[in-house]
Parts: sequence; structure tokens; C-alpha cells
Amino acid sequence: DAGVIQSPRHEVTEMGQEVTLRCKPISGHDYLFWYRQTMMRGLELLIYFNNNVPIDDSGMPEDRFSAKMPNASFSTLKIQPSEPRDSAVYFCASSRERGGYQPQHFGDGTRLSIL
Amino acid sequence: AQSVTQPDIHITVSEGASLELRCNYSYGATPYLFWYVQSPGQGLQLLLKYFSGDTLVQGIKGFEAEFKRSQSSFNLRKPSVHWSDAAEYFCAVGGDFSGFQKLVFGTGTRLLVSP
Repeated sequence: DAGVIQSPRHEVTEMGQEVTLRCKPISGHDYLFWYRQTMMRGLELLIYFNNNVPIDDSGMPEDRFSAKMPNASFSTLKIQPSEPRDSAVYFCASSRERGGYQPQHFGDGTRLSIL
Repeated sequence: AQSVTQPDIHITVSEGASLELRCNYSYGATPYLFWYVQSPGQGLQLLLKYFSGDTLVQGIKGFEAEFKRSQSSFNLRKPSVHWSDAAEYFCAVGGDFSGFQKLVFGTGTRLLVSP
């Protein structure tokens, strides 16, 4: 079975540009999570969805960040406008029901560099 | 507040030697506990999980972990380390956090393996 698929793997763009990260969860998984990983702050949960509905977005840094899940097989994380401090590795993960009680399966991440 | 502590930022072990990575958690109810491994440039991969029952759990790649409720610990062990085990290891506690079902990760321990 295919795992969680993220695209692009790497993104380099200039400050002020819009960035869109994409994620395809594992089929049949009801929960989808977006994380950000940096050296300074470690692994941070940004937002998670249950059955395509955003449940907890308290980790989203500010209004420049937005996430959507239009259907069960696709999610996006958008940053507009981007800033150098947004440079990080962004991970998407998915899990079966009861997201806090089931293992999460991670994609390989998107390494984002904002110049 | 719920939290996970990995007190060792870095650990260096000789190849063939035994390994123990420490993890302490704070959670009000019965915890669901996980260990993940992250190799460079990749996402997190589940090593093992504890939900209930036998407090010694076996995982992939020869790893095991022991849940000790009295010490609020879930330490990861391996009897003989291989050079390919060099990676970053994350402990996580899963459950219901203020009504949100998610995982809380520790800050990670980077394992270096010397020849």
C-alpha cells in the first residue's frame, strides 16, 4: 500500500511568494495532521483534520498559514505571504480513527526554504 | 500539562554495544505511547507502540521498550546497535488533550554510532 505522499519534496522561493504544500493521506485514514519541524522548536503540530473537517488549528502560527482538506484524499497547507522564518521541514501524517490513539504514518516531508 | 521529556539530546554508542534511550511522560490517564525513528531526509517511522497489556513491547529492527507506570517512563532499548541505527528517535504520548485527539512528541534524541 502506498504511504503518505507529499509534494514537492523541496521548495525554494523568495520572501513574499505564496507557497502551497500538498499531501495525499493513506486511503481509509480518517485523520490528517500537518507538522512543522525546525532545529529550534522541534516537531510542532500545526493543524489536524478528522473526516476532512479541521478540528484543532491552535498550532497554526498566524493568519499567513491556511490549510484545507477538500476531500478524503487530498490536503494543502498554504503560506501567503511567505517569510524566511517559515523555512522548515513540513510533514503530513495520517492515522485511522481516534487520531491520538492510533499510530500516525508520516510522509517524507517538504523541505521549504524561503530566501 | 501533558508532556514528553527526552533528557538526552545526543547519545553516542559503539557498534555492537547495547542502547537505552530515555523517555518520561506526563499524562493524566492511561497513556498510549509510541517510539518513532527519523533517518536524515525522511519522515518519522513507527518503531513500536504500547496501548495496554504486557509492559514490554517488541518493535521493528530489534527494538523493544518497557512501560513503567510507577516511573512514568517508556525507555527504548536494543541489545546490540548497528551502524544503520544512527538516526533521531522520538518518543510520543497519544490521547485526548483538552478534547483534541493527537500525539505529543518529545524533542528527540540523536543517536550516533561509533565504529
